[in-house]
Amino acid sequence: AQSVSQHNHHVILSEAASLELGCNYSYGGTVNLFWYVQYPGQHLQLLLKYFSGDPLVKGIKGFEAEFIKSKFSFNLRKPSVQWSDTAEYFCAVNGRGSTLGRLYFGRGTQLTVWP
Amino acid sequence: EPEVTQTPSHQVTQMGQEVILRCVPISNHLYFYWYRQILGQKVEFLVSFYNNEISEKSEIFDDQFSVERPDGSNFTLKIRSTKLEDSAMYFCASSEWESGNTIYFGEGSWLTVV
Repeated sequence: AQSVSQHNHHVILSEAASLELGCNYSYGGTVNLFWYVQYPGQHLQLLLKYFSGDPLVKGIKGFEAEFIKSKFSFNLRKPSVQWSDTAEYFCAVNGRGSTLGRLYFGRGTQLTVWP
Repeated sequence: EPEVTQTPSHQVTQMGQEVILRCVPISNHLYFYWYRQILGQKVEFLVSFYNNEISEKSEIFDDQFSVERPDGSNFTLKIRSTKLEDSAMYFCASSEWESGNTIYFGEGSWLTVV
């Protein structure tokens, strides 16, 4: 069965600290991987995505993620967080060649950054 | 940047009442979706819609749910007879086939069933 696990439910950091949010998936086939962010009161916004090619993908606002196929992981990283990064972060997966759009989401990680 | 817009942002309804949640997808997008998130739980897929018909639905999307594209711009989710457990945030989303599975979400409609 398809599933996505996000290991951290709530992460609290000080500004300038480095961030790594874990994401592991279970999916029977080739996958597309996504990280979405939801700022307070706003919609889910795409941070970055991996379809194929270089497993290290760069997204908006200085975020990056690395796809490690052998570990079924797609961890999100940022070297130095800012207060404005406070938000909820969702990892998601769908299957390449599957019905477009059926995303499987993790439970989300709430990131709080203290100034 | 084009956006998916949803109305209402919040609706409170009595159990057993019908609810219609409305969405305006991004104008050149061809695929439309509804997802929901019950408080404290994962965002879950409900249904996808393409070419004026449902292309896939999840086990959650039972007979009390229906979707419609009544005109060229709106995409609606109807819940026929609401239950307490339908209380959730409902997200509409859309995607353009050629963009390769990038899905854009609306801000959500928070439904509270009392």
